[in-house]
Amino acid sequence: AQSVAQPEDQVNVAEGNPLTVKCTYSVSGNPYLFWYVQYPNRGLQFLLKYITGDNLVKGSYGFEAEFNKSQTSFHLKKPSALVSDSALYFCAVRDFYDTGRRALTFGSGTRLQVQP
Amino acid sequence: SQTIHQWPATLVQPVGSPLSLECTVEGTSNPNLYWYRQAAGRGLQLLFYSVGIGQISSEVPQNLSASRPQDRQFILSSKKLLLSDSGFYLCAWTRRSVFSTDTQYFGPGTRLTVL
Repeated sequence: AQSVAQPEDQVNVAEGNPLTVKCTYSVSGNPYLFWYVQYPNRGLQFLLKYITGDNLVKGSYGFEAEFNKSQTSFHLKKPSALVSDSALYFCAVRDFYDTGRRALTFGSGTRLQVQP
Repeated sequence: SQTIHQWPATLVQPVGSPLSLECTVEGTSNPNLYWYRQAAGRGLQLLFYSVGIGQISSEVPQNLSASRPQDRQFILSSKKLLLSDSGFYLCAWTRRSVFSTDTQYFGPGTRLTVL
């Protein structure tokens, strides 16, 4: 069974400072990892994914994420936070062996609050 | 480009009433389709998924059912709503290919309140 943990319910950061949203995962095979963002009363928007190759993945809106196999982590980062980045962020995982169902297992979400 | 629609956007229904939520995808063929429920603005729970017309798999036992009458249409239903059915319902799709690396894309969601 696969699982995702987002250990922080909320992350607070000042505008212009770097931000990190943490994510750890557990899968039986190789992981496919995703980050999504959700604004209030909206659907989830895809930010980036890790499939294979370079451990640093770049995505939308200046976000990037670093895959660390030994620590089973996939932390989301941004060098300089904007107030408009304030939202709910979800990490998700799919197992390499899940070629049929292809559903995602999501973490519980982390609320990012960027203060002006 | 592909787009995914959900309606209605919001719905308030009394306990015991029926439910029908609709999801359609444009710009792709033979997608995998999914229904998720998000409670209290947090984690997502997979309810159903479909790999083709008439093919529905249920992830959790519950008061809801799903159907896929057409390739790009996915419907979530209930005969009698419960208070616990309240939540934010999200439809999603994935391209069906030999690769399981494809991204899952979400619709705008339906906010259901059962009173």
